[in-house]
Amino acid sequence: KNEVEQSPQNLTAQEGEFITINCSYSVGISALHWLQQHPGGGIVSLFMLSSGKKKHGRLIATINIQEKHSSLHITASHPRDSAVYICAVGNNNDMRFGAGTRLTVKP
Amino acid sequence: DAGVIQSPRHEVTEMGQEVTLRCKPISGHNSLFWYRQTMMRGLELLIYFNNNVPIDDSGMPEDRFSAKMPNASFSTLKIQPSEPRDSAVYFCASSLGLRGNSPLHFGNGTRLTVT
Repeated sequence: KNEVEQSPQNLTAQEGEFITINCSYSVGISALHWLQQHPGGGIVSLFMLSSGKKKHGRLIATINIQEKHSSLHITASHPRDSAVYICAVGNNNDMRFGAGTRLTVKP
Repeated sequence: DAGVIQSPRHEVTEMGQEVTLRCKPISGHNSLFWYRQTMMRGLELLIYFNNNVPIDDSGMPEDRFSAKMPNASFSTLKIQPSEPRDSAVYFCASSLGLRGNSPLHFGNGTRLTVT
């Protein structure tokens, strides 16, 4: 079993829909990162969080440390949100990555 | 701020040749990371430096891989000799503080193809 599991692997949505991507992990962490990888390959760090909830524009990330689970939400999705979203968990000695969720938002 | 700068963007080489990938971190960042991304294995951490010192190189696949950080503004990842299975996208990232506790800033990556 992978230490970082993301679901779904692939997600197709219509523009305007509310999107949720989930991440579960089995290791101890000091922080969880959500990354966005554009079709061109560049990687952007969206959030780093160790508790609670963070919001940036239409993006919201939550984490439940007790349940070892995090969600990334996108409100009012747009075709430009189409990308691979990667969950990564880190502690002082290691970082592990999920396999990513490929999101396609259709106009 | 120019962000993390990697070069080259693309590298095509023949098996057995030496390959050197370069990275310039964001000024002021004291941690630098090298990652490899493949379709089969996704993103993997190869090595990371803190204050120019290699902290953890357990992700380096074999002795053919080596990384250096001679100063705070430059790092190299070298593969010698290269093999076709080294074909991947190699990312460099930098951050303030230790990995896992600070936001990561990624370069655009180097796509390596070894034929």
